[in-house]
Amino acid sequence: GAVVSQHPSRVICKSGTSVKIECRSLDFQATTMFWYRQFPKQSLMLMATSNEGSKATYEQGVEKDKFLINHASLTLSTLTVTSAHPEDSSFYICSARDLGGTWQYFGPGTRLTVL
Amino acid sequence: GQNIDQPTEMTATEGAIVQINCTYQTSGFNGLFWYQQHAGEAPTFLSYNVLDGLEEKGRFSSFLSRSKGYSYLLLKELQMKDSASYLCAVIEVDYKLSFGAGTTVTVRA
Repeated sequence: GAVVSQHPSRVICKSGTSVKIECRSLDFQATTMFWYRQFPKQSLMLMATSNEGSKATYEQGVEKDKFLINHASLTLSTLTVTSAHPEDSSFYICSARDLGGTWQYFGPGTRLTVL
Repeated sequence: GQNIDQPTEMTATEGAIVQINCTYQTSGFNGLFWYQQHAGEAPTFLSYNVLDGLEEKGRFSSFLSRSKGYSYLLLKELQMKDSASYLCAVIEVDYKLSFGAGTTVTVRA
């Protein structure tokens, strides 16, 4: 149980375009989903916390107008990277926390490359 | 914020034991996780400690001392497939996870 999927697993886009990444909890309901970014040879950095039905909470230094997060249901959160630039190229990983739980279950990640 | 420190790299031979230390400072401690991460993949769960003491799970063990802000992950009977990055992560009362920079373990034959 506790499976989290991400789609797409890999995306290449041109500079200036927008990219949407989906994060789904497949067999449980997630009140909270988290979005992380990981640059090469660095650790995961929390970008934002997404709660179902409310606005996401962004970490310091993360532009909320650039990284749009929508958590429309208890099983789906989306991250849209708007007007992507090469410096946005990174590994984006989501995680989901189930109702009343402490654990976070990680998705497999999305590799974004902006040309 | 949180301050989580762990060594950058460690090397050991197959069959040996390696201990990865992690120290942390946090305001609302709610547990400590260890994850394994292979290149290009998401982290996979290894262990969770919330109380002081040692948790053993097969070849992997994890220890926590809350008063000292200290944990270690012990890998025994190292195998080549254990070559990976090991991440120490602290979870706070708001359920946010903060990760250390990771320790790259290289297992040599």
